[in-house]
Amino acid sequence: AQKITQTQPGMFVQEKEAVTLDCTYDTSDPSYGLFWYKQPSSGEMIFLIYQGSYDQQNATEGRYSLNFQKARKSANLVISASQLGDSAMYFCAMRESGGSYIPTFGRGTSLIVHP
Amino acid sequence: NAGVTQTPKFRVLKTGQSMTLLCAQDMNHEYMYWYRQDPGMGLRLIHYSVGEGTTAKGEVPDGYNVSRLKKQNFLLGLESAAPSQTSVYFCASSQHYPDSSNQPQHFGDGTRLSIL
Repeated sequence: AQKITQTQPGMFVQEKEAVTLDCTYDTSDPSYGLFWYKQPSSGEMIFLIYQGSYDQQNATEGRYSLNFQKARKSANLVISASQLGDSAMYFCAMRESGGSYIPTFGRGTSLIVHP
Repeated sequence: NAGVTQTPKFRVLKTGQSMTLLCAQDMNHEYMYWYRQDPGMGLRLIHYSVGEGTTAKGEVPDGYNVSRLKKQNFLLGLESAAPSQTSVYFCASSQHYPDSSNQPQHFGDGTRLSIL
C-alpha cells in the first residue's frame, strides 16, 4: 500500500489565486515528518516546507503553508497568490522516526499557473 | 555552495554497456540516496546508504549496484544497461543527527540516462 498518496495528477490555477495540493499519508509511527518539494521544468528538486507530527501549528514559509490535519492523515500544501513561476511538479514526502528514516514520496502533482 | 553534485548530467548508452554515476556532497551528511524518476511514477528509491561503507536496497534495486567508500561520495553502477533503465537519476543526501525526521533531503540536478 502506498504510504503517500497525491490524488491530483494535474492542477490548474489562475495567477494570483490560491491553490491547494492534496497529500494523504499512512503511518502507525507517532513521530514523523512531512515534506513538500517543488520540481520546476528545469528538473531540480527544491525543498519547500516541513511539518512535524508533534508540531502544534501548521507550518508556513512565505506563500507556502501546510494544512496539517493529523486525524485525517492529510498534509495539504497551500500556495497563496500563485505566480507563473509556481508552475512545476510538487511532491509530498514522509519520513518516519521509527525504522530506517528513509523518506517515501508521492507520485506528484503537476501545477500549471495560467496568466 | 556546491551541495550535491552529480556527474555526468547526460549520457547515452547502448544495451549491455556499463557505466557509473557519481554523486558527491560537501555537507557532511550521513545519509545518501539514489532515485530514479519516470513519468507518472514519482521518485523511486534504488539504493541508499546510512553511512560510509554501508549500503541498502530500496524499492527498485535490480540491475544496479552502489558503493560508498567515502562519506562524501555515493556511486551508482549499471553493470549491463537495459532500455528499461532509461530514466532520470537523482542523488540526494540528508543529515541524520540529531533528529532525522525533520531533515529535508538535498538533491543533485539529476542525470538523464538513455539506453538504446
